[in-house]
Amino acid sequence: KQEVTQIPAALSVPEGENLVLNCSFTDSAIYNLQWFRQDPGKGLTSLLLIQSSQREQTSGRLNASLDKSSGRSTLYIAASQPGDSATYLCAAHNYGQNFVFGPGTRLSVLP
Amino acid sequence: DGGITQSPKYLFRKEGQNVTLSCEQNLNHDAMYWYRQDPGQGLRLIYYSQIVNDFQKGDIAEGYSVSREKKESFPLTVTSAQKNPTAFYLCASSIDRDRAKNIQYFGAGTRLSVL
Repeated sequence: KQEVTQIPAALSVPEGENLVLNCSFTDSAIYNLQWFRQDPGKGLTSLLLIQSSQREQTSGRLNASLDKSSGRSTLYIAASQPGDSATYLCAAHNYGQNFVFGPGTRLSVLP
Repeated sequence: DGGITQSPKYLFRKEGQNVTLSCEQNLNHDAMYWYRQDPGQGLRLIYYSQIVNDFQKGDIAEGYSVSREKKESFPLTVTSAQKNPTAFYLCASSIDRDRAKNIQYFGAGTRLSVL
């Protein structure tokens, strides 16, 4: 059964710093992996989806990578801003199964 | 404006009462999902539906029921059998479940509390 973990649980950085969020999964036969952003009390917003045939996806200041062999995905945020403060969740999808979500990393970007 | 609408935003349940959470989507998606989120935890799947008139239990279906009579609608009922219903409930949809580019779109959520 797929299990997803995210480390660290919380992270504080000063504005302007580049940062990396980590996502680990146990079943490497992954179909795709999706990164989401969640603001307090709100629903999830999809940021990036990486298919199993891809190694990375980019959107603006965000870059997500996928390494199936090591069971890891990373979300890189360049030049962080206070508006990036939120909880970031990753979700792994194996074919024929439902998404399995990690617990999230709560990011605070300090002005 | 395409998207997923959940209502109400806040809901209070009395002991022994059943309550229903609404989820409507106008994205023409076949698959719909209900998740429960507790503080500091990831999302846990309650029920999902891949097509009209069909739905399957997720990991924590006990004490919940759903229906899928229309493509656009997937209401969730929290029954009196659910002893710990206080949580944030999220509805999502995707084109279908097993497409390679299976982006999930979420509603704004319903926060359920027990009186």
